[in-house]
Amino acid sequence: EPEVTQTPSHQVTQMGQEVILRCVPISNHLYFYWYRQILGQKVEFLVSFYNNEISEKSEIFDDQFSVERPDGSNFTLKIRSTKLEDSAMYFCASSVGGAGNTIYFGEGSWLTVV
Amino acid sequence: SQQGEEDPQALSIQEGENATMNCSYKTSINNLQWYRQNSGRGLVHLILIRSNEREKHSGRLRVTLDTSKKSSSLLITASRAADTASYFCAKEGTGNTPLVFGKGTRLSVIA
Repeated sequence: EPEVTQTPSHQVTQMGQEVILRCVPISNHLYFYWYRQILGQKVEFLVSFYNNEISEKSEIFDDQFSVERPDGSNFTLKIRSTKLEDSAMYFCASSVGGAGNTIYFGEGSWLTVV
Repeated sequence: SQQGEEDPQALSIQEGENATMNCSYKTSINNLQWYRQNSGRGLVHLILIRSNEREKHSGRLRVTLDTSKKSSSLLITASRAADTASYFCAKEGTGNTPLVFGKGTRLSVIA
């Protein structure tokens, strides 16, 4: 069964460093998302992406964050200058269509900022 | 806010028993999606129920939706120890808004 894959599974980074989290969405999907889950808390929406542009973003997704689809298969989340509070599990997700479609999530990338 | 909450926050049952988890929301939805998360792992999609549907089944899972009460429930029948996980409902509001997750229910099934 096709699945969303994410790398790395776990990354430890120094505060202030740049981090890139990578995702390969399901191949025929057109809508891509990043969510995050701080340990013990809710899963929170960060950003949605369609047709090579951001379609929606939350208040969390500030200027330190950016997303890119550099080629036909990868979808990346970049955090420019990490802060301690960026420590979380970051989930990539994709769906074949927009509203009304099942959203499939990857296994997540644990980011620990020290 | 479209956020609703699951209840109970935690549920502990014996293997073989049924587990019922509830989810409430505040504003109109397009659909509601239930997910499962094993500790520290990814979100596994279970069932999507649309606003015009009242009940859906998938194996031992049964999801109901009552739009008049703005609530949904997930029933797991004949639970197994392997069902131990956190279960989340995620609401997709009208107007193509992103999924909004609740806090989840931590289910423990004791063998």
